Amino acid sequence: DQQVKQNSPSLSVQEGRISILNCDYTNSMFDYFLWYKKYPAEGPTFLISISSIKDKNEDGRFTVFLNKSAKHLSLHIVPSQPGDSAVYFCAASAGGGADGLTFGKGTHLIIQP
Amino acid sequence: NAGVTQTPKFRVLKTGQSMTLLCAQDMNHEYMYWYRQDPGMGLRLIHYSVGEGTTAKGEVPDGYNVSRLKKQNFLLGLESAAPSQTSVYFCASSYPRLSPTYEQYFGPGTRLTVT
Repeated sequence: DQQVKQNSPSLSVQEGRISILNCDYTNSMFDYFLWYKKYPAEGPTFLISISSIKDKNEDGRFTVFLNKSAKHLSLHIVPSQPGDSAVYFCAASAGGGADGLTFGKGTHLIIQP
Repeated sequence: NAGVTQTPKFRVLKTGQSMTLLCAQDMNHEYMYWYRQDPGMGLRLIHYSVGEGTTAKGEVPDGYNVSRLKKQNFLLGLESAAPSQTSVYFCASSYPRLSPTYEQYFGPGTRLTVT
């Protein structure tokens, strides 16, 4: 049973507009949530994270929002740029990060010129 | 710093053959992980290690063994490869005590095909 779900396999957004990627989770023990970006034939790279005790974290063009009661988080990218075209993975950690990350299936973001 | 490196980058095996994937990190990280990624799937944890000489099973450990004899290296072994082990394998490392974000650093991956 998937504990981290990304229900949109792909998302197309115009350059300059806002990209919103969504993620839902089922495990209440998750205490940290991370977003990773992945280009083809490369390893995932860390983008931004949020602790379960916060509801928002911002880093430049990237903002992650956490709604703990709904077990939902979202990644906002403003403005979207061509280099943002990649697969984005939502991941979650429980128990202080020692046990590894649980990943969603990813969303392929395509930025249209 | 090279970060996390993986050897080899590509490999083709026949069913029943064995091989070892090597992961090395030069960041003095305590924790290391092996994941696999299959088409249309997220990364799934195979095994992990929280320190030299220690290993633990992840979500999908069957058919794999690991060893962490040195802090900087984490080896993933396939004793008798099966077509179901065709996948892209990613190694990662982290040092949670120094990182407030629980960020893991990933290698470039090893693409393994078992025929």
